[in-house]
Amino acid sequence: ETGVTQSPTHLIKTRGQQVTLRCSSQSGHNTVSWYQQALGQGPQFIFQYYREEENGRGNFPPRFSGLQFPNYSSELNVNALELDDSALYLCASFRKGLAGAEQYFGPGTRLTVT
Amino acid sequence: QKEVEQDPGPLSVPEGAIVSLNCTYSNSAFQYFMWYRQYSRKGPELLMYTYSSGNKEDGRFTAQVDKSSKYISLFIRDSQPSDSATYLCAPEEYGGYNKLIFGAGTRLAVHP
Repeated sequence: ETGVTQSPTHLIKTRGQQVTLRCSSQSGHNTVSWYQQALGQGPQFIFQYYREEENGRGNFPPRFSGLQFPNYSSELNVNALELDDSALYLCASFRKGLAGAEQYFGPGTRLTVT
Repeated sequence: QKEVEQDPGPLSVPEGAIVSLNCTYSNSAFQYFMWYRQYSRKGPELLMYTYSSGNKEDGRFTAQVDKSSKYISLFIRDSQPSDSATYLCAPEEYGGYNKLIFGAGTRLAVHP
């Protein structure tokens, strides 16, 4: 088990609503990445937060946004939910350095949009 | 064409078998290659990673990268039923931030 925790474990939302997912980093880690994993697929990179700023983003629209707090915990916000947003949302924490950082994942939040 | 291709399986083997899991990729700039294991309804767990071409061994697991052919492999020796999971290869794209490019995962079942 990593020290990365996520909440809630799962939730159900209606199309058009907004959702906030939370992630607590492992002790000693200062960077958080968020990934979306659709059923039967590998995780896809959404964005990364370091020093409370987004410093990298994948191919996701602006309605996916995030925050990182001074204690390195993080939130993922998704506005105007669509059916295709149904997925497992994963956060990974690590200590930012150069390439090859070991990213440790939390258990994920399973989001269902109806 | 996806950046990372991985045979989804499922792969079913008897206990004690040697398992070979493979990925191909297209971006020659990848330098670090991670392997994650994911049990059903859990988050991915980092197994091991390699840098550039070569082999790395950790217990029953060996990771191998051939950059000339853009081919990544994970070998599991003496496979156990507890190894039954989905295995994800994940090269890292580094451009000031650490982006993992995951394959779709190979589902492995080891039966007693």
